[in-house]
Amino acid sequence: DSGVTQTPKHLITATGQRVTLRCSPRSGDLSVYWYQQSLDQGLQFLIQYYNGEERAKGNILERFSAQQFPDLHSELNLSSLELGDSALYFCASSVGQGSYGYTFGSGTRLTVV
Amino acid sequence: GQQLNQSPQSMFIQEGEDVSMNCTSSSIFNTWLWYKQDPGEGPVLLIALYKAGELTSNGRLTAQFGITRKDSFLNISASIPSDVGIYFCAGRPGNTPLVFGKGTRLSVIA
Repeated sequence: DSGVTQTPKHLITATGQRVTLRCSPRSGDLSVYWYQQSLDQGLQFLIQYYNGEERAKGNILERFSAQQFPDLHSELNLSSLELGDSALYFCASSVGQGSYGYTFGSGTRLTVV
Repeated sequence: GQQLNQSPQSMFIQEGEDVSMNCTSSSIFNTWLWYKQDPGEGPVLLIALYKAGELTSNGRLTAQFGITRKDSFLNISASIPSDVGIYFCAGRPGNTPLVFGKGTRLSVIA
């Protein structure tokens, strides 16, 4: 157990729908990062929050949004889902800016049908 | 965005053999990290490197931060079946989130 908790573990939904992925960071970590892992595409950075505020943005689609709440958990919202959004979505956390690396959760596997 | 070129893409080796994989970038990185991902799990940090030329070991794993700061390699000695998985390099070009390579998929034949 890495200490980073992601729910749900699996999600199957239809095109056009909206889903919310949830992440609880490791105790004491203030930064939360969201990454998307598609087949053969490695880990693509989506967005980072630090202590409730957006800190960095990657190649995140406009249909996707995220937030970090006062208790430091984070949610990634994916809307108007397309088949191509099917992927593993990972949340990671770090104490500060992650100079010593990130701790990853086990991921949410999203399948859009 | 930032690109990391990781090679090889996949490797099939016999148990007991040594393994070498590397990662290059088009720009200078301040930090290089190596992660391993097991099936159904998130990546786990293996080794972190912070200084050009730094050579760090973690058991049978050894990694180096290239002198040019644009590359890094990971060696695994005397591979065993539990070394199977996907190995990712990751780097930070500045005070920015980690950029990951596409991974090296390692298969070990007993």
